[in-house]
Amino acid sequence: KNEVEQSPQNLTAQEGEFITINCSYSVGISALHWLQQHPGGGIVSLFMLSSGKKKHGRLIATINIQEKHSSLHITASHPRDSAVYICALQRGGADGLTFGKGTHLIIQP
Amino acid sequence: NAGVTQTPKFQVLKTGQSMTLQCAQDMNHEYMSWYRQDPGMGLRLIHYSVGAGITDQGEVPNGYNVSRSTTEDFPLRLLSAAPSQTSVYFCASRRGGSNYGYTFGSGTRLTVV
Repeated sequence: KNEVEQSPQNLTAQEGEFITINCSYSVGISALHWLQQHPGGGIVSLFMLSSGKKKHGRLIATINIQEKHSSLHITASHPRDSAVYICALQRGGADGLTFGKGTHLIIQP
Repeated sequence: NAGVTQTPKFQVLKTGQSMTLQCAQDMNHEYMSWYRQDPGMGLRLIHYSVGAGITDQGEVPNGYNVSRSTTEDFPLRLLSAAPSQTSVYFCASRRGGSNYGYTFGSGTRLTVV
């Protein structure tokens, strides 16, 4: 069983829609990261969460430690948001990340 | 601010050849790590380091060696390349402590024929 599961795997939406990507995990963590990867591109860190909620522009990330669940929301989605969004777990006591398989998001104009 | 620099960006190797993927950061980050990204498998941790002189294995360490002689550099060595090591490799770094996110390099696309 994977330690981290993302849903959906693929998501196509129209410009302007509200987007939600989910991440569930089954192990103890010190933090959860949301990352963005454009096709053929590098990886950009969007958020690091250990509790609660963070907001940056049109992006919002939440985490519920008790439920072992996190969500990434995109408000007023735009075609430039089209990318793969990856949830990653940071464990205590060691370094390095454990990754979900990613959500491939396409925003159509 | 260069951030995390990986070289080369592309490399083709023949089976059995050796090479070193370079990773350097100029942010004085204590922690550095190497990942490989494969279709359908996502990103997986190869090796990591929490400081100069300290390294440890990740999820898929076989076939790879690392060393950390300075804070800035964390090279990944393939001693005898195999086709199964065809992948995109990413290096990342972060400050020590639990409140800092990762900075990723732009990746090295390696093909072993």
